[in-house]
Amino acid sequence: DGGITQSPKYLFRKEGQNVTLSCEQNLNHDAMYWYRQDPGQGLRLIYYSQIVNDFQKGDIAEGYSVSREKKESFPLTVTSAQKNPTAFYLCASTRPGATSGANVLTFGAGSRLTVL
Amino acid sequence: EDKVVQSPLSLVVHEGDTVTLNCSYEVTNFRSLLWYKQEKKAPTFLFMLTSSGIEKKSGRLSSILDKKELFSILNITATQTGDSAVYLCAPCLSSNTGKLIFGQGTTLQVKP
Repeated sequence: DGGITQSPKYLFRKEGQNVTLSCEQNLNHDAMYWYRQDPGQGLRLIYYSQIVNDFQKGDIAEGYSVSREKKESFPLTVTSAQKNPTAFYLCASTRPGATSGANVLTFGAGSRLTVL
Repeated sequence: EDKVVQSPLSLVVHEGDTVTLNCSYEVTNFRSLLWYKQEKKAPTFLFMLTSSGIEKKSGRLSSILDKKELFSILNITATQTGDSAVYLCAPCLSSNTGKLIFGQGTTLQVKP
């Protein structure tokens, strides 16, 4: 079955450590996204990538970094510069464009990061 | 600045009730509006609305868009406990990027 796999589901880290969240998709989607979800704040866009080897900052990119070396993979690193990293992180992908069904994001199951 | 506001933020009803969830938006380069349901983890897609006044329907759920007044509503009739979830509204800004701006979500709890 096609879908998006995020790992790990739960992650605990000490303050000051970098952590990398994995996101893999087998939907053959060109565009991939990382969102952060905090209680009462909906989803906020961290980074997105429309094509391999290219990515753009979203609304809250500070303290995060990404790479897009393969179409299927879009890992997110939460660096020690991120002031409040404890959150639920969602990866998504889509087929951007103007055709019917385009731009419908498919989400992974999420990774919950807790910084102790 | 792009802005999406959902109301109410939370709602508690009993099975069988009908609910209306609201989403108002002010965004540049509006392309379409999407509704998602989030139960525990991954949001799942409900509707995509691109034209004003055309109701989309799926079972007990329906949704409509008003591009002049910049809002959308999601209706759920004869609610069931399985409808308990967070409902997210998200305008799509551009067909080229697929970028969505999400509202805060409405948390719906349906009691037996």
